[in-house]
Amino acid sequence: ILNVEQSPQSLHVQEGDSTNFTCSFPSSNFYALHWYRWETAKSPEALFVMTLNGDEKKKGRISATLNTKEGYSYLYIKGSQPEDSATYLCASPGSGTSYGKLTFGQGTILTVHP
Amino acid sequence: DTGVSQDPRHKITKRGQNVTFRCDPISEHNRLYWYRQTLGQGPEFLTYFQNEAQLEKSRLLSDRFSAERPKGSFSTLEIQRTEQGDSAMYLCASSLALTTHEQYFGPGTRLTVT
Repeated sequence: ILNVEQSPQSLHVQEGDSTNFTCSFPSSNFYALHWYRWETAKSPEALFVMTLNGDEKKKGRISATLNTKEGYSYLYIKGSQPEDSATYLCASPGSGTSYGKLTFGQGTILTVHP
Repeated sequence: DTGVSQDPRHKITKRGQNVTFRCDPISEHNRLYWYRQTLGQGPEFLTYFQNEAQLEKSRLLSDRFSAERPKGSFSTLEIQRTEQGDSAMYLCASSLALTTHEQYFGPGTRLTVT
C-alpha cells in the first residue's frame, strides 16, 4: 500500500504571509509526484508534476521542491492572497503495472484571511 | 470548454435507489479514472479505463458499483442499492497514457444518500 502523507491538515494565515506545506511519500520506486489545488465548487487543478530529485518548479507565487531520496516535497506560497484559499493535494502515480492511478494525501486546507 | 465535464453536479437520493453519473473526458485522452472523496480525506482511486478496457478496480469498489466506457469516450459510474456510506464526491479525471500521467479533473458529482 502506497502511503502519501501531508501536513499540516489545515492552515490559517494572514494575507501577505508566506507559507509552506509538506508531502511525504515512499522513496523507493519513485516515478513522479503531482501537486493539485482544489478550490471549493471547482475542479482540482494541476499545479506541478515533479519527476527529478532536486527539482524546483514555479508558477507565479507558488513553487515546489522535490527530494526523492528522503521522500518529501514542499509546496511554498509567497505573499498569500485570499484567492489562494483552497485544499492543496499531493499524489503519487505509483509504479509498475499500477502506474498512473493516483494515491493522494489527505490534503492541506489553506485559508488566507484578508 | 474542452475540459472534463461531469453530470450531474449534485445528486440527492434515498437509500436503496440506483444512481448513475456521467463523465466526458478531454477528447484525445485515452485514460479515464474515477475517484471518490469523503470529508477530511484525499480522493481515493476507484477504477480506470484505457480506451474502452477497464484495467483496474479498487477493493473499495463493491459489487454494487459498476463502470463502463463504451467506445472509449464518455464513461458512466452506476451505484445500485445506494447506502448512506456512499455519500461522497465522485471525481472523474482523464489523461494521456504518457510518462507523467498528468490528470485533468472534472468538477465532481456530489452524492448525498438520505
